Amino acid sequence: GQNIDQPTEMTATEGAIVQINCTYQTSGFNGLFWYQQHAGEAPTFLSYNVLDGLEEKGRFSSFLSRSKGYSYLLLKELQMKDSASYLCAVRDSNYQLIWGAGTKLIIKP
Amino acid sequence: ETGVTQTPRHLVMGMTNKKSLKCEQHLGHNAMYWYKQSAKKPLELMFVYNFKEQTENNSVPSRFSPECPNSSHLFLHLHTLQPEDSALYLCASSQLAGEDTQYFGPGTRLTVL
Repeated sequence: GQNIDQPTEMTATEGAIVQINCTYQTSGFNGLFWYQQHAGEAPTFLSYNVLDGLEEKGRFSSFLSRSKGYSYLLLKELQMKDSASYLCAVRDSNYQLIWGAGTKLIIKP
Repeated sequence: ETGVTQTPRHLVMGMTNKKSLKCEQHLGHNAMYWYKQSAKKPLELMFVYNFKEQTENNSVPSRFSPECPNSSHLFLHLHTLQPEDSALYLCASSQLAGEDTQYFGPGTRLTVL
């Protein structure tokens, strides 16, 4: 079966750096997405990786290793507003998105 | 992106009621999706429409009935629901089904009593 694993919950301190990992086992691979979802709000698109390596976008970076079935989202200079759930999703060979259960990130002052 | 709207935002219904959820996208996309989001579970894809045609039905019970009158509007008609159907129902759209980034609405929080 297809599976996306990410930690259920993480805690970090304001101003620090946090890395949220995502491992996947899917039928084929056509890209990996990260979304941010604040409580009670819509998931919003953060990043897309289809080739190996690091994609940087301001305070957020996303890394992909296709051979390891692994990605991470790196958040720098954490702010209180970064408290949210972070969803990892992989597009499989049928171009369907397979979703992880999300990582709830708690930022403490 | 705030180009996808959903109404109502909250809905409480009894098991014998009939209600409808509405989604509208203002992004000029051609594909629309319904997802179910339950606490601590992955998003579950329910239905996909591409150019108004249903292309995916992920073994969803018949008590959920989708309708897509045009590429901008999507409905989910609900009848005879069960308490386990209580969840957040999210609508999303993309330029084309399966090929592009999906953009989500804020969801309808459904509670079935």
